[in-house]
Formats: sequence, C-alpha cells, structure tokens
Amino acid sequence: DQQVKQNSPSLSVQEGRISILNCDYTNSMFDYFLWYKKYPAEGPTFLISISSIKDKNEDGRFTVFLNKSAKHLSLHIVPSQPGDSAVYFCAANEDYGQNFVFGPGTRLSVLP
Amino acid sequence: NAGVTQTPKFRVLKTGQSMTLLCAQDMNHEYMYWYRQDPGMGLRLIHYSVGEGTTAKGEVPDGYNVSRLKKQNFLLGLESAAPSQTSVYFCASLTGGRTEAFFGQGTRLTVV
Repeated sequence: DQQVKQNSPSLSVQEGRISILNCDYTNSMFDYFLWYKKYPAEGPTFLISISSIKDKNEDGRFTVFLNKSAKHLSLHIVPSQPGDSAVYFCAANEDYGQNFVFGPGTRLSVLP
Repeated sequence: NAGVTQTPKFRVLKTGQSMTLLCAQDMNHEYMYWYRQDPGMGLRLIHYSVGEGTTAKGEVPDGYNVSRLKKQNFLLGLESAAPSQTSVYFCASLTGGRTEAFFGQGTRLTVV
C-alpha cells in the first residue's frame, strides 16, 4: 500500500491561473516533505520543502501547505507558466531517516 | 559542475545478461541512492548507501546488487536481467539530514 499518494495523475491549467497539486500520506511518523519537478528525459529537481513544525512555506511563485491532522499537503503555483509543465513528485521523510518515500507523481500541463 | 552523472543513458539487454550502472557524484555527498521509476509507481528505492563501504536494501532490492567502494561512486548491478527490470533508473545523492537530493539524468533500460 502506497504511503504517499497523489491521486490526480494529471492536471491541466490555463497560463496565469493557479495550479494546485495535492499529496496525501498515511504514515503519521512522516515529518518532512519535499516537492520535486521532473521534465522529460531529465532527473527530478528539488522545488520546495516543508517541515512538520510549519504549515506553510513559500518560495517565489511556489507555496506548500501542510495539514498534519488531515495528513495532506498541497503545492500551489501562482501564476502558472508554460515552463511549469512537468511531472511533480511529492516525497516524505521520517524522523531524519535515511530514506524518502515518493508519490506516483502528477503531470501538470500549463496551457498558453 | 557535473553534480550527479549516470552511465550509460540508454541500454538494451537480453534476458539473462548482466550489466552495471555507474553513478558518480562530485559534491562529496555521504548518502547515495538508486531508484527505479515505473508508470504510476513513482520512484521506488532499490538500494542505498550512507557512506563509503556501506550499502542497504530499499523497497525493491531483489535482482539487484550494489557497491560503494569509493565515496563518489555508487554502482548498481543486474546479475541476470529480466523483462520486469525494464525501467528508468535514477541515482541520487545528498549530504544527509534534512536536505534535498540531487538526481542524475536517468538510465533507460530495456530488457528483451
């Protein structure tokens, strides 16, 4: 059973609008979360992270929200740009553990 | 500034053949990882290493072996390739603790 879930395999958004990507997790011991972006034929690249002591972290157009009680996090991209079209992976880490558990990814398409 | 480099980028193997994938990082990172990416499955951890001379099993280790004889290199071996090992393989490294991982560009392996 997947510990990190991204229930939307794909998402299409108009340029300039907000993109919201969702991630749910089942392991209550996860306390650090990251988002990675992946373009075709490239490796994933780090986007933004959040620790469980926070409920929000911003970096430019990207904001991650964490709802610990719901075991849910979301990535907001505002405004969305065509260059944001990629697969986005959510990842989780437990108690400074050595491993990260990844979700299956959501493919975002930003339409001009 | 190479970061994480994977060799080769593409490979086609016949069932039963063996091969070694090489991952090299120039960032003096302690931790190195091998993942495989399959459609709808996200990134699944095969093996990892927390330092030179150490290795450990991840989520899907069967059919693979690894070695970390030098800090900068992490090798993934397939002793007898099977069609189920057709996948895209990613290597990653990080310094340790709550930091993001840096990924290689991936190796697309097809076993026929």
